[in-house]
Amino acid sequence: ETGVTQTPRHLVMGMTNKKSLKCEQHLGHNAMYWYKQSAKKPLELMFVYSLEERVENNSVPSRFSPECPNSSHLFLHLHTLQPEDSALYLCASSQDFRRKNIQYFGAGTRLSVL
Amino acid sequence: GIQVEQSPPDLILQEGANSTLRCNFSDSVNNLQWFHQNPWGQLINLFYIPSGTKQNGRLSATTVATERYSLLYISSSQTTDSGVYFCAPESYNTDKLIFGTGTRLQVFP
Repeated sequence: ETGVTQTPRHLVMGMTNKKSLKCEQHLGHNAMYWYKQSAKKPLELMFVYSLEERVENNSVPSRFSPECPNSSHLFLHLHTLQPEDSALYLCASSQDFRRKNIQYFGAGTRLSVL
Repeated sequence: GIQVEQSPPDLILQEGANSTLRCNFSDSVNNLQWFHQNPWGQLINLFYIPSGTKQNGRLSATTVATERYSLLYISSSQTTDSGVYFCAPESYNTDKLIFGTGTRLQVFP
């Protein structure tokens, strides 16, 4: 148990669906992250939030929409996804979004887009 | 940006064997983390090691930042050690973790 919880663990959706991924951290951290892990590729950073403010958006398509209502919760809203968006989506948190911070990861949501 | 190379890409061991995993990075880093990803996708922190050597049970890690590499040692491997091992240095310029492609370890009884 890392203190970071992601739901759902698995999600299958059609290209016209709208769904949301949820992440919750119980560590009292101020920074939260979304990563994408595709097969045979390194983890890719998608978004970073620090104290509920987005500080990083790594050229992610607009069909992915993050939301951070407070420092403990992070959402990733999905709409009109493509089959190539199928991947493991990982959430992480750290004490701060500054250097030398240890990141703790959730178990991920495995997304399949049909 | 910083490049991260991990070797070997795949490793198959029999239970009880020892192994060394290597991580090379191309630029200065603030810190470096090693992770183990289990077959269900969970990433677990193993070490936070910007420099020097640390040990945790059967695992130990060494980072030589001036020579831009880190090593992860696994001794007396067990089947539960199976999974993918990632190193992730934190870029000095961007403060972001940059992940390698990992070493996939399979330990057989």
